[in-house]
Amino acid sequence: DIQMTQSPSSLSASVGDRVTITCRASQSISSYVNWYQQKPRKAPKLLIYAASSLQSGVPSRFSGSGYGTDFTLTISSLQPEDFATYYCQQSYSTPSLTFGGGTKVEIK
Amino acid sequence: EVRLLESGGGLVQSGGSLRLSCAASGFTFSSYAMNWVRQAPGKGLEWVSGISGSDGSTYYADSVKGRFTISRDNSKNTLDLQMNSLRAEDTAVYYCAKDKYAGARYSRDLDYWGQGALVTVSS
Repeated sequence: DIQMTQSPSSLSASVGDRVTITCRASQSISSYVNWYQQKPRKAPKLLIYAASSLQSGVPSRFSGSGYGTDFTLTISSLQPEDFATYYCQQSYSTPSLTFGGGTKVEIK
Repeated sequence: EVRLLESGGGLVQSGGSLRLSCAASGFTFSSYAMNWVRQAPGKGLEWVSGISGSDGSTYYADSVKGRFTISRDNSKNTLDLQMNSLRAEDTAVYYCAKDKYAGARYSRDLDYWGQGALVTVSS
């Protein structure tokens, strides 16, 4: 099974900060990575698919990059509504999919 | 507007059974693969099962294989998850989630999620 390792598991940041979250796959997965945002007691929301494509309706301050085993989610200027937990997910291995452990973004 | 609404959650004893349903609207249900993803209290996300839209092929995580059965009724726009031999570690919020792409492709890119149904298994 492909493992997805996210880092850090949590971070504290201020409004306006640039935030970077990384995800490492246990083997090469091309660009088959998605990123989700989850707020407390809410369902996850798709932000980025295929490593770098912005889902419709998602603000452009969110971006994704990477290929192979190393991937990054960047928030260019953190907004109050961005405090949440973020998950990466691989869709390379058929037919299953796996998520990273999550990164909680908290207010500094 | 895409809407997914889960129902059927509740409290069940270890070894018991429960059936979850997900009512879908706002898209051509039969054209999309669907999934169940769960989240144990305070924990991360875990994929449970998926079913294709075209031929009804089914897929399961090892943790539930042989105990859970996914099914769909394209005439009623509903997705079900029959859960048998439940264990304490199955306690979680269960989400149904729609695949992003229509057709035969099972992309496992999940673009819409329901609000979740809580399943609690008591030991």
